Amino acid sequence: EAGVAQSPRYKIIEKRQSVAFWCNPISGHATLYWYQQILGQGPKLLIQFQNNGVVDDSQLPKDRFSAERLKGVDSTLKIQPAKLEDSAVYLCASSLTGGPGTEAFFGQGTRLTVV
Amino acid sequence: DAKTTQPPSMDCAEGRAANLPCNHSTISGNEYVYWYRQIHSQGPQYIIHGLKNNETNEMASLIITEDRKSSTLILPHATLRDTAVYYCIVRVDGTGFQKLVFGTGTRLLVSP
Repeated sequence: EAGVAQSPRYKIIEKRQSVAFWCNPISGHATLYWYQQILGQGPKLLIQFQNNGVVDDSQLPKDRFSAERLKGVDSTLKIQPAKLEDSAVYLCASSLTGGPGTEAFFGQGTRLTVV
Repeated sequence: DAKTTQPPSMDCAEGRAANLPCNHSTISGNEYVYWYRQIHSQGPQYIIHGLKNNETNEMASLIITEDRKSSTLILPHATLRDTAVYYCIVRVDGTGFQKLVFGTGTRLLVSP
């Protein structure tokens, strides 16, 4: 079974530039998550989708971050404009239903460096 | 905010059992305990989860106390490849969908 695919693996941009990350979840998984992991910290949930609807985006800095999940499958996370503090690994995860007792599967992540 | 407390680091000798504790004293009756681990430069990997009963799979065992306020992840025969950060997570109720809130985890170092 194919896992969660993310691209690119690495990205370096200058501050104030924009960047986009792509995620393809495991086939059939209804729930998709985007996490931000700053070096030395645990992952922080940015946004959670159930099919193509947003379930939770309380931690998403909406003035610069946006995410969409068209047709309830692939998802993109965008940052515009980027700041130095956005340097982190961005992780995508998916789970079958998102309900209690279901596990989430993570991709390898995209490492973003803002200079 | 994370609802769990874990020691920041632990050491274990290769071949011995690694017992990783987690405190979740504010857990609600319908909240599951999950364990994930993260090996350097990789995404978190699911290990095991449980609600009330002890659980075992091919990777580990999960022991949950009767009052559910703490749990222990057991790696029965640790190998060097088990060196990782281990996260104990309690599902946070929000909209009825699971919300995995990670803390800072326990950094397990398995030595020869």
